[in-house]
Amino acid sequence: EAGVAQSPRYKIIEKRQSVAFWCNPISGHATLYWYQQILGQGPKLLIQFQNNGVVDDSQLPKDRFSAERLKGVDSTLKIQPAKLEDSAVYLCASSFNRGLDSPLHFGNGTRLTVT
Amino acid sequence: EDKVVQSPLSLVVHEGDTVTLNCSYEVTNFRSLLWYKQEKKAPTFLFMLTSSGIEKKSGRLSSILDKKELFSILNITATQTGDSAVYLCAVKAPSGGSNYKLTFGKGTLLTVNP
Repeated sequence: EAGVAQSPRYKIIEKRQSVAFWCNPISGHATLYWYQQILGQGPKLLIQFQNNGVVDDSQLPKDRFSAERLKGVDSTLKIQPAKLEDSAVYLCASSFNRGLDSPLHFGNGTRLTVT
Repeated sequence: EDKVVQSPLSLVVHEGDTVTLNCSYEVTNFRSLLWYKQEKKAPTFLFMLTSSGIEKKSGRLSSILDKKELFSILNITATQTGDSAVYLCAVKAPSGGSNYKLTFGKGTLLTVNP
């Protein structure tokens, strides 16, 4: 089974620039998550999709972050404009469904450095 | 607000030692607790625990949950250098409707020296 694919692996940008990350979940997984992991911290949920609909974006800084999953498969996360504190690893995860017994499977992440 | 606290934050041991990692939580409507291992990239799933007192085991790793005292432990016996990683604990709870969310702890950085 192919895992969760993310790109790019690394990105360095200057503050106020914009950046986009891409994620392709495991085939057949209806639920997709974007997490932000700051160095030394656990992952923090930014947004959760069920198919192409958003089910939780309560912790997404909507003034600068946006995400979409238009066809219910792959997803993009965008930051515009970036701030220094956005430097983190952005992890995409997917699960078969959003239910109790469905563990998350993570991609390798995109490491973002904002200078 | 849901809270997951892991201890210790870091640990250095020698190959062959046994380690115990701790995870305590304060969560509204707890449903399950998950352990992940994170090396330099993606967290990989280890265990999911939902019932108190039932040990989950996979090779040298084992974990148990105490729902009364609100904690879990992850044991690794006969540690190897390949066990060096960050071990993340996460708790699953409802986030509204039929959705569940995971709240992660900060992780325990385990270093196993040869």
